[in-house]
Amino acid sequence: NAGVMQNPRHLVRRRGQEARLRCSPMKGHSHVYWYRQLPEEGLKFMVYLQKENIIDESGMPKERFSAEFPKEGPSILRIQQVVRGDSAAYFCASSGPLGATRDGYTFGSGTRLTVV
Amino acid sequence: DAKTTQPNSMESNEEEPVHLPCNHSTISGTDYIHWYRQLPSQGPEYVIHGLTSNVNNRMASLAIAEDRKSSTLILHRATLRDAAVYYCIPYRGSTLGRLYFGRGTQLTVWP
Repeated sequence: NAGVMQNPRHLVRRRGQEARLRCSPMKGHSHVYWYRQLPEEGLKFMVYLQKENIIDESGMPKERFSAEFPKEGPSILRIQQVVRGDSAAYFCASSGPLGATRDGYTFGSGTRLTVV
Repeated sequence: DAKTTQPNSMESNEEEPVHLPCNHSTISGTDYIHWYRQLPSQGPEYVIHGLTSNVNNRMASLAIAEDRKSSTLILHRATLRDAAVYYCIPYRGSTLGRLYFGRGTQLTVWP
């Protein structure tokens, strides 16, 4: 029973490039959440998606960041024109329809983005 | 959202019990209390949650105060693998998925 799969595990991008982070939820889960953890800081909610819908993007920066969760395939967090301040660990979590009410969220191991 | 207060750090010896406290005095009556932990270089891991009654699972026990203003996560026998940051998170189902992670408690386990 594979858990939440995130790839790549590590990603290095030069300033101005695009970063694409992928998240495959647990089997049977159709709710995906993205969080960001800046160095030496706590995790911050970014966006909540269901299949083909963005439910809550109130934690997303207004520019350069976007997320999608298509009908087929993984959820993608895209960061355009990356800057050094985007360097962080990005975590994806998934859940069933009851959210965290019953069993909590399952998190992936994260993608560590380094912008050079 | 309810504010939480946890000690920045705690220490324990291996195979001893650990009691990790959390104050959440502004918690609402319908908020569950969730605990997650984050091992080094890993994503957060769900530990346990409860509403009013004490809860047990294979990982830990959760003791919730009668007035629900505080709770304690209990690791019955700490192992080296339990060294992690532990987060106490009030969770309201209506928040559509958001978990608010504070700074948590860094638990160090000594062999």
